[in-house]
Amino acid sequence: DTGVSQNPRHKITKRGQNVTFRCDPISEHNRLYWYRQTLGQGPEFLTYFQNEAQLEKSRLLSDRFSAERPKGSFSTLEIQRTEQGDSAMYLCASSLFSGSGNTIYFGEGSWLTVV
Amino acid sequence: SQQGEEDPQALSIQEGENATMNCSYKTSINNLQWYRQNSGRGLVHLILIRSNEREKHSGRLRVTLDTSKKSSSLLITASRAADTASYFCATDARGSSNTGKLIFGQGTTLQVKP
Repeated sequence: DTGVSQNPRHKITKRGQNVTFRCDPISEHNRLYWYRQTLGQGPEFLTYFQNEAQLEKSRLLSDRFSAERPKGSFSTLEIQRTEQGDSAMYLCASSLFSGSGNTIYFGEGSWLTVV
Repeated sequence: SQQGEEDPQALSIQEGENATMNCSYKTSINNLQWYRQNSGRGLVHLILIRSNEREKHSGRLRVTLDTSKKSSSLLITASRAADTASYFCATDARGSSNTGKLIFGQGTTLQVKP
């Protein structure tokens, strides 16, 4: 068990470019979550998957954002036509859903800076 | 939008002292979790307390939950410089079918001076 792994850890991109982040959850965890965190704030929920199915998307997830979890294992979060307001840390988390109280484990995050 | 509020927003204490952080939330919950975040790093899970529990301990950590007041507290005893970090509470709202969709507060920044 190596924990939740995210890469790249840091990404600097020019406005208008596309970026993709990858998340490898803890093995056998069936739920995977994406959150966004800006400086001085707590993380905000973006979306989550149960296996390969994307079950909920926040209204924060504009149509420029897309997340996939094609085989129910790793996930990608793509941001198209990046804007400066997208600069934030993108956190991935995973859990093993048990029906009553999920301990949710977070990765180290991927920092995005849009210049 | 944020679910809860942590209080205080910032706390500075000397090593060896106890630190208490409070969290209030708005809706009924399934459970409440506390996390620690070192500057620029990810979140480390500390404790999960279910809505039918009132108190939990883990090492130097003690968490209480008062669902009638919609509040929780995190006590760190005998603090160490390594405890310096931001601490967040996060709630899993009842009615969300145990999605694990956590709603975070803005956090308490704790500084422990050696």
